[in-house]
Amino acid sequence: GQNIDQPTEMTATEGAIVQINCTYQTSGFNGLFWYQQHAGEAPTFLSYNVLDGLEEKGRFSSFLSRSKGYSYLLLKELQMKDSASYLCAVNDYKLSFGAGTTVTVRA
Amino acid sequence: EADIYQTPRYLVIGTGKKITLECSQTMGHDKMYWYQQDPGMELHLIHYSYGVNSTEKGDLSSESTVSRIRTEHFPLTLESARPSHTSQYLCASRRGQAEQFFGPGTRLTVL
Repeated sequence: GQNIDQPTEMTATEGAIVQINCTYQTSGFNGLFWYQQHAGEAPTFLSYNVLDGLEEKGRFSSFLSRSKGYSYLLLKELQMKDSASYLCAVNDYKLSFGAGTTVTVRA
Repeated sequence: EADIYQTPRYLVIGTGKKITLECSQTMGHDKMYWYQQDPGMELHLIHYSYGVNSTEKGDLSSESTVSRIRTEHFPLTLESARPSHTSQYLCASRRGQAEQFFGPGTRLTVL
């Protein structure tokens, strides 16, 4: 089975940095995805980590430690449009999604 | 940009009606998925397919059925809609172990 944990909500100020943690205990593992989902919309792909370490894509970075069953998504220079739900998903031939972390960016 | 389409985008229907939600992708992806998601809640996998003539039930029990007779097409059918089926239905596809692309969703309301 899959057990994926993320914080439910986070609030941050425009221009700040926020780190969303994801811990997982899964029967199989072939990488970890992060998705962004705005209210009422479909999720969109942000990043994919299959090896340990940090992957950077512009203002967003994602980190993975397979031995610790841990990942985080780092959002830098927060903008109002970053207010959304962020979903951690473990890849074990099909994706198992966490419940998502709702990030609210305040002016 | 992902080429995955869902129709209709919005559907309001009466109890007991049979409905089919359409999902098509033009990327030649082998794997396709259906998720159910209530507003502000998590995604629940209800059906998936790894190729033509292959369908499996997902983690969440659903009264719906699916078929996959063409690679690009993965329709979901509810034989008799009930108010408890009111939700958003998201279709997704991927090639192998690559990232998964989602369609825009169908928002279903059963009265």
